[in-house]
Amino acid sequence: AQKITQTQPGMFVQEKEAVTLDCTYDTSDQSYGLFWYKQPSSGEMIFLIYQGSYDEQNATEGRYSLNFQKARKSANLVISASQLGDSAMYFCAMSSDSNYQLIWGAGTKLIIKP
Amino acid sequence: EAQVTQNPRYLITVTGKKLTVTCSQNMNHEYMSWYRQDPGLGLRQIYYSMNVEVTDKGDVPEGYKVSRKEKRNFPLILESPSPNQTSLYFCASSFRTGVKSDTQYFGPGTRLTVL
Repeated sequence: AQKITQTQPGMFVQEKEAVTLDCTYDTSDQSYGLFWYKQPSSGEMIFLIYQGSYDEQNATEGRYSLNFQKARKSANLVISASQLGDSAMYFCAMSSDSNYQLIWGAGTKLIIKP
Repeated sequence: EAQVTQNPRYLITVTGKKLTVTCSQNMNHEYMSWYRQDPGLGLRQIYYSMNVEVTDKGDVPEGYKVSRKEKRNFPLILESPSPNQTSLYFCASSFRTGVKSDTQYFGPGTRLTVL
């Protein structure tokens, strides 16, 4: 069965520091995609970044990058130079050729301290 | 502006009173989906639709109905709501069905309380 695990229920980080949010996944598919979404306290779900399993380079979008380690089945989100506005819930999700419905992790609550 | 809209945004109702949460997207997306979000459980899929007149159950379909008569609309119907359906509901859509790399775009959410 496919599964996404986010082991950090919550994190406190000092403003301007880099943050790594962990995500491990389990799938027997060879072809799959990994997503990160941000959910601020206002509630909306905001797409951040996508990584395909066959992408040779780690995905980057501005201050967000995805540390993709295929052999370890991990897809950690890295936020460089954190800002107060980064405080939010962050969700990791996966889809694959055999199941393109998104499978979601339980989320990590990130709080940036001034 | 490209968006997914949901209405109402907030709803308090009583057990057994039928309700409909509307979802509409203006991006000509093929795929639409409903999720519920509960603390500690992440998002769980209720129903999804791969195209007009094509719907299928997700992980937690009990107590819900959907329809997809037009490409842009995907309403969620609770025929007889119960307190365990108190949750935050999201509608989402993506451009193509069955393409794992297609990003799902979310509506703003509907916070439902069933007393």
